[in-house]
Amino acid sequence: SAVISQKPSRDICQRGTSLTIQCQVDSQVTMMFWYRQQPGQSLTLIATANQGSEATYESGFVIDKFPISRPNLTFSTLTVSNMSPEDSSIYLCSVPGGGYTFGSGTRLTVV
Amino acid sequence: GENVEQHPSTLSVQEGDSAVIKCTYSDSASNYFPWYKQELGKRPQLIIDIRSNVGEKKDQRIAVTLNKTAKHFSLHITETQPEDSAVYFCAASWRNNNNDMRFGAGTRLTVKP
Repeated sequence: SAVISQKPSRDICQRGTSLTIQCQVDSQVTMMFWYRQQPGQSLTLIATANQGSEATYESGFVIDKFPISRPNLTFSTLTVSNMSPEDSSIYLCSVPGGGYTFGSGTRLTVV
Repeated sequence: GENVEQHPSTLSVQEGDSAVIKCTYSDSASNYFPWYKQELGKRPQLIIDIRSNVGEKKDQRIAVTLNKTAKHFSLHITETQPEDSAVYFCAASWRNNNNDMRFGAGTRLTVKP
């Protein structure tokens, strides 16, 4: 299965600022997924990132708030924009395969 | 879209006992059903998965069963150990395994020594 390097692992940010999370995969993958996991909760899909096209967002998530880049088949970024305390969460990227693999997660705290 | 329900939300067992976690899904087109274990502060790790053309799959102390007609699948852990304590998530891929997954709400399993 693929190996994913995700960074930063954690950050504390001021409200109103933005944070960009990066995921690097050790193999080429067509699709990458971004999930949010709020404290004590399950994983909620934010968007699907395909290389060469705009990301597809799930209901409740918009591009202005969570812009995604997918410049090639091994890399993607998720930006959390204009942050508020409600954005405090763990953000994970994931790639499919025989079994989906997750990055190590980014624990974001907005103060 | 797919909706996955998972029960129970918490489960406490004595070491050596068995644990069963159940999930139902809504979309009959779903054909891939993985189970993840997430320890505190760590990423979800795939522990077992099953595809819709199989009714049961076993890997040592862990087994998964799938009932396509009823649209439910279950995780069975036998001879539980304290290190099995974690949150377990079921998931379903509602198109094929190259598309996104929908997760159940999770089950917090505690194995008491």
